[in-house]
Amino acid sequence: GDSVTQMEGPVTLSEEAFLTINCTYTATGYPSLFWYVQYPGEGLQLLLKATKADDKGSNKGFEATYRKETTSFHLEKGSVQVSDSAVYFCALSDQTGANNLFFGTGTRLTVIP
Amino acid sequence: SQTIHQWPATLVQPVGSPLSLECTVEGTSNPNLYWYRQAAGRGLQLLFYSVGIGQISSEVPQNLSASRPQDRQFILSSKKLLLSDSGFYLCAWSLQYGYTFGSGTRLTVV
Repeated sequence: GDSVTQMEGPVTLSEEAFLTINCTYTATGYPSLFWYVQYPGEGLQLLLKATKADDKGSNKGFEATYRKETTSFHLEKGSVQVSDSAVYFCALSDQTGANNLFFGTGTRLTVIP
Repeated sequence: SQTIHQWPATLVQPVGSPLSLECTVEGTSNPNLYWYRQAAGRGLQLLFYSVGIGQISSEVPQNLSASRPQDRQFILSSKKLLLSDSGFYLCAWSLQYGYTFGSGTRLTVV
């Protein structure tokens, strides 16, 4: 079945450090891929998405490229800020009629000043 | 604009008590609706989804049930809560590529 494997945390970085959170997926067909972010005390927000191979999603300085050959969708940011501290979830949509989302386990990022 | 309302934000309930969490969507018609749970220290787990009024699919066997009495209303229920039902419950809707999540309900069963 469809699944997402996400780098386990927690991850602690200093401000302005480079961030990579790895995400790989297993899917039949051609899923859409997403990164969601959950800030402390809040629900999930869509951070970025990519709907086909080689697409790059980007938002708020974060980027991720849909790599079909490596079945990956790694999240990157060149210079993190304290306000980026949150839990990040990689997810895929199976594109069936129900359009279910399958989530990774989440990676907690803490950025220290 | 499309919005999703989920309430209450927090809930503390004793073991064995009933549960009803409500989610309503505005600004869209016939969306797919979902209930997810995030248990402490774990990822998001899909509990139920619905592609239309009265149509409910369950992803995992459990102590909970869901209903969709109206197109834009999705309810999560339990007749008798267990300690293991504690967690953060998220309602979501989708049409095509996008998902929109509610703000969540943190349920603590004591």
